[in-house]
Amino acid sequence: EAGVAQSPRYKIIEKRQSVAFWCNPISGHATLYWYQQILGQGPKLLIQFQNNGVVDDSQLPKDRFSAERLKGVDSTLKIQPAKLEDSAVYLCASNPGGSYNSPLHFGNGTRLTVT
Amino acid sequence: ILNVEQSPQSLHVQEGDSTNFTCSFPSSNFYALHWYRWETAKSPEALFVMTLNGDEKKKGRISATLNTKEGYSYLYIKGSQPEDSATYLCAFIGSGGYNKLIFGAGTRLAVHP
Repeated sequence: EAGVAQSPRYKIIEKRQSVAFWCNPISGHATLYWYQQILGQGPKLLIQFQNNGVVDDSQLPKDRFSAERLKGVDSTLKIQPAKLEDSAVYLCASNPGGSYNSPLHFGNGTRLTVT
Repeated sequence: ILNVEQSPQSLHVQEGDSTNFTCSFPSSNFYALHWYRWETAKSPEALFVMTLNGDEKKKGRISATLNTKEGYSYLYIKGSQPEDSATYLCAFIGSGGYNKLIFGAGTRLAVHP
């Protein structure tokens, strides 16, 4: 099966600019996650979708971050405006039904540098 | 605030050495523990999902054990190879409101030929 696709792989922007990341999960996977991994820390959940509905966005900085999964398939994560502390790897993951008895399938991530 | 700790932070071993690292997590409200391997420039890859106290899982030269009562899991690599070089992440999920995966910061393993 094709894996989780993410783009771009790398992005360098200046602070206060905007950026968007795209994710296409494994076909048929209902649950999609966006994680932020800052250097030296573990990945932190930003938002979890079940189909096109939000299950958990408690750790998403909503003043600058937004995410959507309009048709319940692919998803976009946006940062507007970016701050220096947003420099991180943004990982997208999916799993079939949202049960943590099965593992997450991750994409390669987008490495964002904010200067 | 839930905390998942991994030790050591980094490890350098010679090819052929066996090694192990630790993941510590809250000992109450346990639901599952995940282990992932993350090689540079690749996607994190699932190794194990462990749900029962006393679980032992094995995948080739890699194995893991789980003690939910005391809140720790060990990952073992037997006869390390250079291709085992990666960051190993564990992630805990609890029940009763702690229902998101909380990742540790990882153990970075470098295996030298």
